[in-house]
Amino acid sequence: NAGVTQTPKFQVLKTGQSMTLQCAQDMNHNSMYWYRQDPGMGLRLIYYSASEGTTDKGEVPNGYNVSRLNKREFSLRLESAAPSQTSVYFCASIRQGTSFGSYNSPLHFGNGTRLTVT
Amino acid sequence: GENVEQHPSTLSVQEGDSAVIKCTYSDSASNYFPWYKQELGKGPQLIIDIRSNVGEKKDQRIAVTLNKTAKHFSLHITETQPEDSAVYFCAFLLSNSGYALNFGKGTSLLVTP
Repeated sequence: NAGVTQTPKFQVLKTGQSMTLQCAQDMNHNSMYWYRQDPGMGLRLIYYSASEGTTDKGEVPNGYNVSRLNKREFSLRLESAAPSQTSVYFCASIRQGTSFGSYNSPLHFGNGTRLTVT
Repeated sequence: GENVEQHPSTLSVQEGDSAVIKCTYSDSASNYFPWYKQELGKGPQLIIDIRSNVGEKKDQRIAVTLNKTAKHFSLHITETQPEDSAVYFCAFLLSNSGYALNFGKGTSLLVTP
């Protein structure tokens, strides 16, 4: 069981370039999320997908788009990267419908993608 | 957006001492309060959580207490060990957000031998 897999692990972009961050989970989870982590800012929600076929904006969606490709995969796209998007990006997932937060079904995180935009 | 304030931002303790991290939240509708531990180069992992109908929960050396009236909850680590050194995040469940969690800014805990 791989859990939540994010690719790539590291990426450097020039301002204006585009890229897609990939996320896949093999736990049959319904809901998936993208967070960004910046020093002193904690984790901030960018977009989420409560179930296959739906996506919604989080706290900081500007400059990003997402696609819930199927139940397993949830990608994050930067159409025109900016230095302010330099961050560590985390994908997470959970099985919606269980008793949320029970110790046996927490929100699972990937190990992150470290993105630098120059 | 909904806020959660976490204090302190850094904490240094000697091995064997206790560590306490506190969070205050704003959404009175929230009923779920987890704590996550993040080690260097990894994603956060759940270490303990509590629901609003419970005032305290323990799991070996860690415990979480919740005061819903005052809207704050705390993480307590007793008999700290060097491997407890990490960044800890509190979180609460955002209302009407597909089970999304709103995170505090984190506490960097250093346990010195």
